Amino acid sequence: TQLLEQSPQFLSIQEGENLTVYCNSSSVFSSLQWYRQEPGEGPVLLVTVVTGGEVKKLKRLTFQFGDARKDSSLHITAAQPGDTGLYLCAATNTGFQKLVFGTGTRLLVSP
Amino acid sequence: SAVISQKPSRDICQRGTSLTIQCQVDSQVTMMFWYRQQPGQSLTLIATANQGSEATYESGFVIDKFPISRPNLTFSTLTVSNMSPEDSSIYLCSGGQEAGGYTFGSGTRLTVV
Repeated sequence: TQLLEQSPQFLSIQEGENLTVYCNSSSVFSSLQWYRQEPGEGPVLLVTVVTGGEVKKLKRLTFQFGDARKDSSLHITAAQPGDTGLYLCAATNTGFQKLVFGTGTRLLVSP
Repeated sequence: SAVISQKPSRDICQRGTSLTIQCQVDSQVTMMFWYRQQPGQSLTLIATANQGSEATYESGFVIDKFPISRPNLTFSTLTVSNMSPEDSSIYLCSGGQEAGGYTFGSGTRLTVV
């Protein structure tokens, strides 16, 4: 069973601060996705990265896929209360298959 | 991307009974999955729902406890059978297609008393 370890598990910060969430594994993945989930809702896809070393930006969010395709990071600049939620990385092995989810990072951004 | 309607959104059930959760997708999707999640924690895959054939279950989950149907490419059900308090959790369905990524239902919060 592949394991995706996320760190930190929980992060509580003030509005305006920057933060980085990490997603690490010993396995190589063909693609990796980041999701955000709010209470009472299902996870919502933020981004998919497929190429080692790939960097994608989505407004204040920057996603990076490691060169060896074993790890990824999510960086949020100037966090806002609306960024509060559970952030999950998820990966697939080859092609289009089931997702393996990371352990999750709960983010709380206070005004 | 596809939109998934999941129902019920929540239920409180007596132990020993069964609950069937439904997911309807607004477009055809190649694959559908069922997950379980404790509040604030990550998702655990229960099974892959295969259209026209038996579901593929992950380790620790069995068909007798979690029978799954998928009669077509837009609909699937998960039944939680002979429930016990340990089955209390959030159950989520997901639909995927190669071009569009994965979409999730809003989840069913199940409490077994």
